[in-house]
Amino acid sequence: AQSVTQPDIHITVSEGASLELRCNYSYGATPYLFWYVQSPGQGLQLLLKYFSGDTLVQGIKGFEAEFKRSQSSFNLRKPSVHWSDAAEYFCAVGAGDSNYQLIWGAGTKLIIKP
Amino acid sequence: NAGVTQTPKFQVLKTGQSMTLQCAQDMNHNSMYWYRQDPGMGLRLIYYSASEGTTDKGEVPNGYNVSRLNKREFSLRLESAAPSQTSVYFCASGTGYNQPQHFGDGTRLSIL
Repeated sequence: AQSVTQPDIHITVSEGASLELRCNYSYGATPYLFWYVQSPGQGLQLLLKYFSGDTLVQGIKGFEAEFKRSQSSFNLRKPSVHWSDAAEYFCAVGAGDSNYQLIWGAGTKLIIKP
Repeated sequence: NAGVTQTPKFQVLKTGQSMTLQCAQDMNHNSMYWYRQDPGMGLRLIYYSASEGTTDKGEVPNGYNVSRLNKREFSLRLESAAPSQTSVYFCASGTGYNQPQHFGDGTRLSIL
């Protein structure tokens, strides 16, 4: 069965510092990969997605993610975080045998230090 | 540009009461989903509807029922609310596992 792991429950970074959020998945073939962001009290917003092709994908709000097949990872990065990036981030995987579902990671809460 | 609309946004119930959460999407998506979100547990799928006329159980279906009223609308019903169902409920729509899901703003439900 497919699974998604986000190893870090919380991450704290200083404003202006770089960020990397980890996501590992378990699936035999190449999955469809997504990162979402949830600001406090809000719904989930799609940041970026990977379907095929270039393994480095650009998203909204200055985020990017890199698909690494050999490591079964899809880590999210941002060169310089802003206080407004404080939110919870979710990685999700879509797989051909998941029957229309996405498989979700548990989320990583990003805290920004001034 | 409504996307996915959920009603109500907030609700407080007493144990044993029933209620229906409403969800409507205007993106002509075939699939719709109901999730619950609890602290530290991410999103858990309650029920989903792959297409109009079909519904299937997700990870945590006990205590809930759903109705796919038409292509646009997918409701979630709590027949006899329990405190363990206190949560934030999200509706989402999409076109399958190979496309992103689009989310509503959530319903914050407290059961006393």
